Amino acid sequence: DTGVSQNPRHKITKRGQNVTFRCDPISEHNRLYWYRQTLGQGPEFLTYFQNEAQLEKSRLLSDRFSAERPKGSFSTLEIQRTEQGDSAMYLCASSLMGGMANTGELFFGEGSRLTVL
Amino acid sequence: SQQGEEDPQALSIQEGENATMNCSYKTSINNLQWYRQNSGRGLVHLILIRSNEREKHSGRLRVTLDTSKKSSSLLITASRAADTASYFCATASPGFQKLVFGTGTRLLVSP
Repeated sequence: DTGVSQNPRHKITKRGQNVTFRCDPISEHNRLYWYRQTLGQGPEFLTYFQNEAQLEKSRLLSDRFSAERPKGSFSTLEIQRTEQGDSAMYLCASSLMGGMANTGELFFGEGSRLTVL
Repeated sequence: SQQGEEDPQALSIQEGENATMNCSYKTSINNLQWYRQNSGRGLVHLILIRSNEREKHSGRLRVTLDTSKKSSSLLITASRAADTASYFCATASPGFQKLVFGTGTRLLVSP
């Protein structure tokens, strides 16, 4: 499979618990993005990596959120002490930037849906 | 926060009809892209138009861009029931750091 893979697809947790989502991008892609999408809204940017470097974080990403991409391949998004307002779809996307590929077209995974009770 | 607004928020048409969705944005862009999302799924890239282009076609899709009005439109011709989905415009900032998405148009195509 050469697409973007996200796990788990669904996560139900109780308020106050920690959750972690994983994203495996398309292998040759150097950029990886995390977005959050709530019902009826468009995706909202959270953060992105160029290889292993985290280059931008949205102010939506509170201190309870942390993302890593340790070897420039897969990435994890951890939410600590979850709140009901964290319930959303967390989308990962990757892209190839450099050379002739400077369009910014994103390839999305199927998302990880988080429900906080 | 969203870069722009899409209009209409929802659109219901019959198979065979054309569907037009509009997108307005706020800041200067390098390109504008349209994505499709089936319910509960990830987004799929449809078409990209650069800031120096005015119109682009891909199959049944036609995109226009008016940078003076900071607006774009997506036309789907001869719609099919399988076109039922949400459609989002997204703008790429100069330097391509990220895409900023609009609020989306929910399209329902009835057989």
